[in-house]
Amino acid sequence: ILNVEQSPQSLHVQEGDSTNFTCSFPSSNFYALHWYRWETAKSPEALFVMTLNGDEKKKGRISATLNTKEGYSYLYIKGSQPEDSATYLCASSGSSNTGKLIFGQGTTLQVKP
Amino acid sequence: DAGVIQSPRHEVTEMGQEVTLRCKPISGHDYLFWYRQTMMRGLELLIYFNNNVPIDDSGMPEDRFSAKMPNASFSTLKIQPSEPRDSAVYFCASSFDRGKQYFGPGTRLTVT
Repeated sequence: ILNVEQSPQSLHVQEGDSTNFTCSFPSSNFYALHWYRWETAKSPEALFVMTLNGDEKKKGRISATLNTKEGYSYLYIKGSQPEDSATYLCASSGSSNTGKLIFGQGTTLQVKP
Repeated sequence: DAGVIQSPRHEVTEMGQEVTLRCKPISGHDYLFWYRQTMMRGLELLIYFNNNVPIDDSGMPEDRFSAKMPNASFSTLKIQPSEPRDSAVYFCASSFDRGKQYFGPGTRLTVT
């Protein structure tokens, strides 16, 4: 069974604050870790796909790191803006990498102006 | 590319009726996924296809649900008969070679 856990469940920050949240997954059953951004009333949008231990990806003010040995990934947002308000989902594929992803429950970020 | 296309965007139907949701994946993508979003369970995978062949349908809740992919550019998810507990947003997504998944806009289904 592949369980993907995200924390915190929700987060409220002020505009300009930097923030980060966690995704944990079974390190013994891993091939790739995906991060998605999901705005209300829209569909999930892929941010990053990471496979290598120590990998770090960046897209504008958002970055992510990966530790496959201990089974976690961090997503960082520097200088949060109201438009960053969304649910951030991580998903892991098992070691068989069949294409199937198991999604976490998400972290919902609210950035107040 | 127009992205993943789903239709209808909204569907309201009465309990017992047949519902068919449609999806057109991004051209060239070889994986297609059907997800359901509910408040209780979040985003759950129902079934996925690789090169039009169903690979894993373990997420399909009951025999009332069926999915087909007759060709690389079209898939359907059918619910017959529909029940109120099927009310949810249904997403279709596609990917190339197990990479990033590109989601369609979703179909919001309401069964009364």
